[in-house]
Amino acid sequence: EAGVAQSPRYKIIEKRQSVAFWCNPISGHATLYWYQQILGQGPKLLIQFQNNGVVDDSQLPKDRFSAERLKGVDSTLKIQPAKLEDSAVYLCASSLTTMNTEAFFGQGTRLTVV
Amino acid sequence: DQQVKQNSPSLSVQEGRISILNCDYTNSMFDYFLWYKKYPAEGPTFLISISSIKDKNEDGRFTVFLNKSAKHLSLHIVPSQPGDSAVYFCAASSPYNTDKLIFGTGTRLQVFP
Repeated sequence: EAGVAQSPRYKIIEKRQSVAFWCNPISGHATLYWYQQILGQGPKLLIQFQNNGVVDDSQLPKDRFSAERLKGVDSTLKIQPAKLEDSAVYLCASSLTTMNTEAFFGQGTRLTVV
Repeated sequence: DQQVKQNSPSLSVQEGRISILNCDYTNSMFDYFLWYKKYPAEGPTFLISISSIKDKNEDGRFTVFLNKSAKHLSLHIVPSQPGDSAVYFCAASSPYNTDKLIFGTGTRLQVFP
């Protein structure tokens, strides 16, 4: 079974630039998550999709972050404009919709904003 | 507000001995708890979970204990192996959104020969 695919693996941008990350979840997984993991901290949920609908985006900084999952499969997360404090690993994860199933994570995209 | 806390940032254990990783939570509505393991440059991988209706769950060398009254859970690894060296995250969810995981800050475990 193929895992969660993310690209790119690494990205370095200057502050105020924009950046986009891509995620392809495990086939058949209706729930998709984007997490932000800042160095030394645990992953923090940014947004959760069920199919192509948003379930939770309460911690997404909507003035600069946006995410979409148009066809209920792939997803993109965009930051525009980036700030220095956005430097983090951005993790995509997916899970089945049944209750209390574990999430499967991709390798993440390490973003450095300089 | 850190609802899931792992107060030990690191732990060093000799191979063959027991590793005990601890996790505390503040939200009494949490009813499902998971442990994830993370190697460098990889995403977290699921290790073991426990529902609040249980106080213990075992899977091979890994056992998770839940003390609801103390809002505390622990992960025991016996015997510890060098390949267990990784960062371990505790996570919790509530019935209001069973898919939303709240993660702790992680504990880096190092198992030395």
